[in-house]
Amino acid sequence: EVQLVESGGGLVKPGGSLRLSCAASGFTFSSYRMNWVRQAPGKGLEWVSSISSTSSYIYYADSVKGRFTISRDNAKNSLYLQMSSLRAEDTAVYYCAKDLGTGTYFDYWGQGTLVTVSS
Amino acid sequence: SYELTQPPSMSVSPGQTASITCLGDKLGDKYVFWYQQKAGQSPVVIIYEDSKRPSGIPERFSGANSGNTATLTISGTQAMDEADYYCQAWDINTVVFGGGTKLTVL
Repeated sequence: EVQLVESGGGLVKPGGSLRLSCAASGFTFSSYRMNWVRQAPGKGLEWVSSISSTSSYIYYADSVKGRFTISRDNAKNSLYLQMSSLRAEDTAVYYCAKDLGTGTYFDYWGQGTLVTVSS
Repeated sequence: SYELTQPPSMSVSPGQTASITCLGDKLGDKYVFWYQQKAGQSPVVIIYEDSKRPSGIPERFSGANSGNTATLTISGTQAMDEADYYCQAWDINTVVFGGGTKLTVL
């Protein structure tokens, strides 16, 4: 059974940093592209970033470019999102999501971890 | 940047048909995916590549995509279909979601 379990969310002050993790199991993690998608309270889904299976290709939404860094450790079956210079508008539930490749869909999602940016 | 536009909300009576639209420039040239998100849960894909249903998704869910409009149709809507629905497409190497449509079944 595929499982994606996010962790690392919490309350952080504006301008602060936070690192999210996603532990994957139930599939060959090293073979798949992975993503972060967020959802602000009461709002819609927003794709944040993606990383290819070998970390060769990395993409970011304009809203986080230069502030967030996605990475992965295939030996640990883990995905990460290093977030810095956090703003109030970054407050959201952050989902880890697996896809089937560029141009395809997100077939598995984690349960999400809440990040709150507030003073 | 590419944008997808959905109606914020719509309502349907049980047993009736709900059609949720997703508008985007030349959207018919792209594949569209649809997700259902029930309250407090993570999204689930219900339509992929415009009109295909993953295993386990009821036949009452169908999709179409042409021109600038993709449509998710729910035939014989049930109370359990009350949820937020999101369309998704790709813009080169980035992912775009529509703003979501809250479907109320009453």
